[in-house]
Amino acid sequence: ETGVTQSPTHLIKTRGQQVTLRCSSQSGHNTVSWYQQALGQGPQFIFQYYREEENGRGNFPPRFSGLQFPNYSSELNVNALELNDSALYLCASSFTSGRSYEQYFGPGTRLTVT
Amino acid sequence: RKEVEQDPGPFNVPEGATVAFNCTYSNSASQSFFWYRQDCRKEPKLLMSVYSSGNEDGRFTAQLNRASQYISLLIRDSKLSDSATYLCVVNTNAGKSTFGDGTTLTVKP
Repeated sequence: ETGVTQSPTHLIKTRGQQVTLRCSSQSGHNTVSWYQQALGQGPQFIFQYYREEENGRGNFPPRFSGLQFPNYSSELNVNALELNDSALYLCASSFTSGRSYEQYFGPGTRLTVT
Repeated sequence: RKEVEQDPGPFNVPEGATVAFNCTYSNSASQSFFWYRQDCRKEPKLLMSVYSSGNEDGRFTAQLNRASQYISLLIRDSKLSDSATYLCVVNTNAGKSTFGDGTTLTVKP
């Protein structure tokens, strides 16, 4: 087990609604990254938080936003849900040191938008 | 063209076989490289980091060729439990990680 937890495990929402997903990072880690994984594809990078600041962002619209808290846990918020937001949302925690870091994933939240 | 490309497979091999996966990346500023495995409907799990000098962990060997911008993973003596999707990951200094879409391996008795 990686020690990274996510909640909830499954979620069903309606188009246009808003959703908040949560992630608790592994003890000692200071960085959290969020990914969206559609069926048959690799995880797509949404953004990364390092010491409570956004540290990098992928090609996702502003309705995807996030937070990192002083204990390094994190939230992913998605507004105005669209049908193609249905996916597995993964968070990964890591310890950023120098240029290389290994990421450890939580079990994911499976979001279905109807 | 995708930033990180992998042969999707599937690779179907018998137990005991040696199998190799390649992954190419387009961003020459990429700094660190990893292989992950992902079982069906599970999260990715770190398999190994990839270093310029190449590295080995038991039956698994990873290599990096910066000049040609590709990384490889070699699995020797395949086991049934090696059946999974193998994802290569490329990181830049800007805190961005890019995953390939994965290569599916099925090891058969």
